Amino acid sequence: GQNIDQPTEMTATEGAIVQINCTYQTSGFNGLFWYQQHAGEAPTFLSYNVLDGLEEKGRFSSFLSRSKGYSYLLLKELQMKDSASYLCAVRLDSNYQLIWGAGTKLIIKP
Amino acid sequence: DTGVSQNPRHKITKRGQNVTFRCDPISEHNRLYWYRQTLGQGPEFLTYFQNEAQLEKSRLLSDRFSAERPKGSFSTLEIQRTEQGDSAMYLCASSPTGPAGDGYTFGSGTRLTVV
Repeated sequence: GQNIDQPTEMTATEGAIVQINCTYQTSGFNGLFWYQQHAGEAPTFLSYNVLDGLEEKGRFSSFLSRSKGYSYLLLKELQMKDSASYLCAVRLDSNYQLIWGAGTKLIIKP
Repeated sequence: DTGVSQNPRHKITKRGQNVTFRCDPISEHNRLYWYRQTLGQGPEFLTYFQNEAQLEKSRLLSDRFSAERPKGSFSTLEIQRTEQGDSAMYLCASSPTGPAGDGYTFGSGTRLTVV
């Protein structure tokens, strides 16, 4: 079977840094995605990793270790608008669908 | 192009009725996906089209669900004889062919409530 694990909820302070972890066990691997989803809205694309290492995009960075089945999303200089759910998703080799984690609800406090 | 468009945004229906949702993908994207999402969960794959061909359908999708993409452009998802368990957000996404480095673009979704 396919399994993706993320913490259910995290809390952080405005202006701080937070790291959201994702571990996966899947039958194949052809890339890992991070999406942001505000309540009641559709997911929006944040990042994509297919090779090991760190990808940086402004305040957001994403890291991948394929040998460990592990990724994290790093958010810097947190803003109140970053309060949302963050979803980790894996694309399998033989399919074009994404397998999704349940998401991590991030709460930002002033 | 204004992105992926879905309508209606909200649908309330009585149990046993049929409903149909529409998705208009980004025009140059030839891949189209339907997902279903319930509260506190990630999206669940339903089906996938490349152009007009339906290439994959989830085993979780009962025969009450059917999807079409007749001309390789817009797509419809129909649910027949709706049940309360069908209440969810139905998301459509599209992507171009090739490496998915830019990810999938989602529409705003259709929220279905079956009463």
